[in-house]
Amino acid sequence: LAKTTQPISMDSYEGQEVNITCSHNNIATNDYITWYQQFPSQGPRFIIQGYKTKVTNEVASLFIPADRKSSTLSLPRVSLSDTAVYYCLVGDLQNRDDKIIFGKGTRLHILP
Amino acid sequence: DSGVTQTPKHLITATGQRVTLRCSPRSGDLSVYWYQQSLDQGLQFLIQYYNGEERAKGNILERFSAQQFPDLHSELNLSSLELGDSALYFCASSIKDGRERTDTQYFGPGTRLTVL
Repeated sequence: LAKTTQPISMDSYEGQEVNITCSHNNIATNDYITWYQQFPSQGPRFIIQGYKTKVTNEVASLFIPADRKSSTLSLPRVSLSDTAVYYCLVGDLQNRDDKIIFGKGTRLHILP
Repeated sequence: DSGVTQTPKHLITATGQRVTLRCSPRSGDLSVYWYQQSLDQGLQFLIQYYNGEERAKGNILERFSAQQFPDLHSELNLSSLELGDSALYFCASSIKDGRERTDTQYFGPGTRLTVL
């Protein structure tokens, strides 16, 4: 199972673009990269998932370089409501032994 | 609102007791996952069921057990409770059985368990 490393916390300002990078040096061929967002006392919410290159949806973009050893979640024009913990997960869901590990995530604090 | 419901919202009990947490998945979802989140441990995967059968197991203690019923709701049973079991317990559901490489889990609001 690929271990992930994320910054513990980040601060940014409203209206800025925020990029959170996750390192996963031991990512395996079949592993996908998934990001979740969690607000205090709520369950995590799926943001985006990808395998390589770039994925974009209405909420965020996910950039994955060719070597896939890292990924960057990009949140455009953040607002105060984007203050949350962001988790990067890497794994092969087909592998029953590949346990789902959320880690401690990145605590993003958006300032006015 | 994710469509996943969990009851109760809060639970306060004493050490040594047994409790049952309940989860109803989103309509149409066949997989249910249980997670434990404590302040110092982050979100820990406990166990997954798919259509009534255990599909994957994480760091679930022997004092904990779970099952998924024919109507697809799931229960997590915690017994011989210890102070360290105090945590938020989340249930998540997904339509997939875990055999696909991609999946999206929808999380419920959680049950906050306090063991005194």
